[in-house]
Amino acid sequence: DTAVSQTPKYLVTQMGNDKSIKCEQNLGHDTMYWYKQDSKKFLKIMFSYNNKELIINETVPNRFSPKSPDKAHLNLHINSLELGDSAVYFCASRVSGSNYEQYFGPGTRLTVT
Amino acid sequence: GENVEQHPSTLSVQEGDSAVIKCTYSDSASNYFPWYKQELGKRPQLIIDIRSNVGEKKDQRIAVTLNKTAKHFSLHITETQPEDSAVYFCAARRRSNDYKLSFGAGTTVTVRA
Repeated sequence: DTAVSQTPKYLVTQMGNDKSIKCEQNLGHDTMYWYKQDSKKFLKIMFSYNNKELIINETVPNRFSPKSPDKAHLNLHINSLELGDSAVYFCASRVSGSNYEQYFGPGTRLTVT
Repeated sequence: GENVEQHPSTLSVQEGDSAVIKCTYSDSASNYFPWYKQELGKRPQLIIDIRSNVGEKKDQRIAVTLNKTAKHFSLHITETQPEDSAVYFCAARRRSNDYKLSFGAGTTVTVRA
């Protein structure tokens, strides 16, 4: 009965590597997001897709590239990982329209060494 | 863009006492104000929300008030219990093409037994 799922849950990697995080939702939502939560717990939006179309692209380094193969999936690929990329990355989804709750995935803790 | 400020950053209360968290927002076009609770190592989860056509909403021990004129809203938790210990985030969203949620920086609430 998982609503929003992410893989992997933990990711430990070295600087300079390329890695991907996957997100899937089975709620039938048409809007999906990626957030970064740093060590101070601040939730910062990175990207949003609506019906596979990019609608939010905050000032994120272009080493980060989201991809939405369909409405139910939003993946995040990160090139040339840096120490500062260490954080928890949350995927979220909702139905577009103003009065709908946004559901978060369980998070992926990325540690760059 | 929207700027949401949240206070206090930490809050310690005795079990049974009340806790109040306050947020202000900058964009007068914002019309949706959710509150999320994030327990340690878990995902943020919606606990209550309020829309701009309502001044107050209550759900058991939690309540939210909204003052549109002053552009601030507050979360009230009464009869606090140890399981209320968590990080609480306020957020604001305006009706726009992207329906982006802007989050406050979070309040770490500790309920002392």
